[in-house]
Amino acid sequence: ILNVEQSPQSLHVQEGDSTNFTCSFPSSNFYALHWYRWETAKSPEALFVMTLNGDEKKKGRISATLNTKEGYSYLYIKGSQPEDSATYLCAFRRARNFGNEKLTFGTGTRLTIIP
Amino acid sequence: DTEVTQTPKHLVMGMTNKKSLKCEQHMGHRAMYWYKQKAKKPPELMFVYSYEKLSINESVPSRFSPECPNSSLLNLHLHALQPEDSALYLCASSPPTARAKNIQYFGAGTRLSVL
Repeated sequence: ILNVEQSPQSLHVQEGDSTNFTCSFPSSNFYALHWYRWETAKSPEALFVMTLNGDEKKKGRISATLNTKEGYSYLYIKGSQPEDSATYLCAFRRARNFGNEKLTFGTGTRLTIIP
Repeated sequence: DTEVTQTPKHLVMGMTNKKSLKCEQHMGHRAMYWYKQKAKKPPELMFVYSYEKLSINESVPSRFSPECPNSSLLNLHLHALQPEDSALYLCASSPPTARAKNIQYFGAGTRLSVL
């Protein structure tokens, strides 16, 4: 059983502040790490897919880093806005899966931005 | 069209009922997935279809029966469910490639309650 953990489970951040949270995953047989944003009553939306150790991705105010050797990824949000309120899920893909991707998800970090 | 559409949004059924969940995408994706998500838990993979053939069954009980009639449509037939099967059922699709950047596109889910 793969263990993908996210911390913290929930987070309240004042509007305008920056924040970050963590995804931990197995460091062996790494293939890819996905980040998704999931707003209530909507579909999970892909933010990033990272494959290489040291990868850094950026999309607007959101960025992510990847350390495959130690098995963690950080997601950063700069200057939080109310529309950033969502659950952020990471998902790990292990190498040597057959067929299409099998993603193992973490339990998510629920982010609430306080206006 | 970058949407994955799931119907119905909500479903209440008794343990003796037979019902079906439907998922549709028109992005030309050839892989489609069913996930189950219980409250405060990560989405868990149930089934994967690749080119309309079942490629992964994560040891799901036979009371869940998937069907992929064509490349755009995925069904999940439900029969004799138990109350513990109450959950959010998510459908996803991804492009026909085994590359790591194989983002999955999700529907908003069907909230199922079994009485």
